Amino acid sequence: QKEVEQDPGPLSVPEGAIVSLNCTYSNSAFQYFMWYRQYSRKGPELLMYTYSSGNKEDGRFTAQVDKSSKYISLFIRDSQPSDSATYLCAMRRSGGSNYKLTFGKGTLLTVNP
Amino acid sequence: EAQVTQNPRYLITVTGKKLTVTCSQNMNHEYMSWYRQDPGLGLRQIYYSMNVEVTDKGDVPEGYKVSRKEKRNFPLILESPSPNQTSLYFCASRDTGKDTQYFGPGTRLTVL
Repeated sequence: QKEVEQDPGPLSVPEGAIVSLNCTYSNSAFQYFMWYRQYSRKGPELLMYTYSSGNKEDGRFTAQVDKSSKYISLFIRDSQPSDSATYLCAMRRSGGSNYKLTFGKGTLLTVNP
Repeated sequence: EAQVTQNPRYLITVTGKKLTVTCSQNMNHEYMSWYRQDPGLGLRQIYYSMNVEVTDKGDVPEGYKVSRKEKRNFPLILESPSPNQTSLYFCASRDTGKDTQYFGPGTRLTVL
């Protein structure tokens, strides 16, 4: 079983739709959870960062973490064509000297005007 | 502008010809890291560096070398590239005490 599982999609939605992206993980040592957005031919950029279980909201984006189920989600409200990108979940363990991120494979999202 | 830069952005080379991909950051970050991104495998860490002269292996270090002689630079060296090193490479840096990692624009390497 891979440490982080993410459905690669692709996911295609109409403009204005609510998008739900998800990852599951197997290692309970993961304590920090992130969502990165990667546009075509660009490097990943941090979108959301959460530590504890629960919800974190930033504008149209909401990150949700359920540590008991080892499940994280990203919701995008009122999706826009500019949201079309690959979304990568990432997580890391606490402690240690390496801030290595373990990534999901990414979900390709297309928002159609 | 705070950024991580990589050069070259695209490179086609042949098996066995040594190459270096440069990475530089202007944010005075201590931590830097290299990842490779492959279809179906996602991003995997190659090497990381906690500070000048401090480097260590990530998950897939075979066939790669790194050095960290200056804080801002973290070059990735392929002494004898092979076709299985064809990939998209990203350099990243992180500010001490914060969890945000800043990624460079990527280097697409093809080894024939």
